[in-house]
Amino acid sequence: QQQVKQSPQSLIVQKGGISIINCAYENTAFDYFPWYQQFPGKGPALLIAIRPDVSEKKEGRFTISFNKSAKQFSLHIMDSQPGDSATYFCAARGTNFGNEKLTFGTGTRLTIIP
Amino acid sequence: DTGVSQDPRHKITKRGQNVTFRCDPISEHNRLYWYRQTLGQGPEFLTYFQNEAQLEKSRLLSDRFSAERPKGSFSTLEIQRTEQGDSAMYLCASSYRGLIQETQYFGPGTRLLVL
Repeated sequence: QQQVKQSPQSLIVQKGGISIINCAYENTAFDYFPWYQQFPGKGPALLIAIRPDVSEKKEGRFTISFNKSAKQFSLHIMDSQPGDSATYFCAARGTNFGNEKLTFGTGTRLTIIP
Repeated sequence: DTGVSQDPRHKITKRGQNVTFRCDPISEHNRLYWYRQTLGQGPEFLTYFQNEAQLEKSRLLSDRFSAERPKGSFSTLEIQRTEQGDSAMYLCASSYRGLIQETQYFGPGTRLLVL
């Protein structure tokens, strides 16, 4: 059973545009929601993360929006740049035993075109 | 470089052989996780340690897989009698349990190809 669903699978955005990736989760025990960025041949790197006590978190060009009642969260990349071209994974984790590992979405391959 | 390191970065082996991977976490981190990532998929949890204690194992971790963290520092993941389905990227991550926001930092991974 996939506990974190991610869409779209791939996304092409023009340079300077807004990239939006969506995720939905099922496990109400999750209380930490990070986004990871992965380049080919590299391990995932933490981009930004949010806890459910806030509805939005912004760091530079990256913003997470969180809707606890809908159990959905999304990543917005403003002013998208070619260097943002990578695969993005949403993830979720709880703090009680059995939920402390990260559960990842299936990933979104983002391509920024000039 | 004080990040998570993994060795080897690439491993090609024949079906039926045993392989062992090593992970060196960030030095002060007390938690160490192993994940497996296949092409086009997100990482999937395999197992994790707090210090030297193995706290949880996924059902993905068949009896051919064993992981250790003998002194609470580095960890090894061994796969016995490898099968072609074991071909994947094996990722290690470490974190410090005790912080409000416990961030897992990933290593570069070991890419395994079983022929």
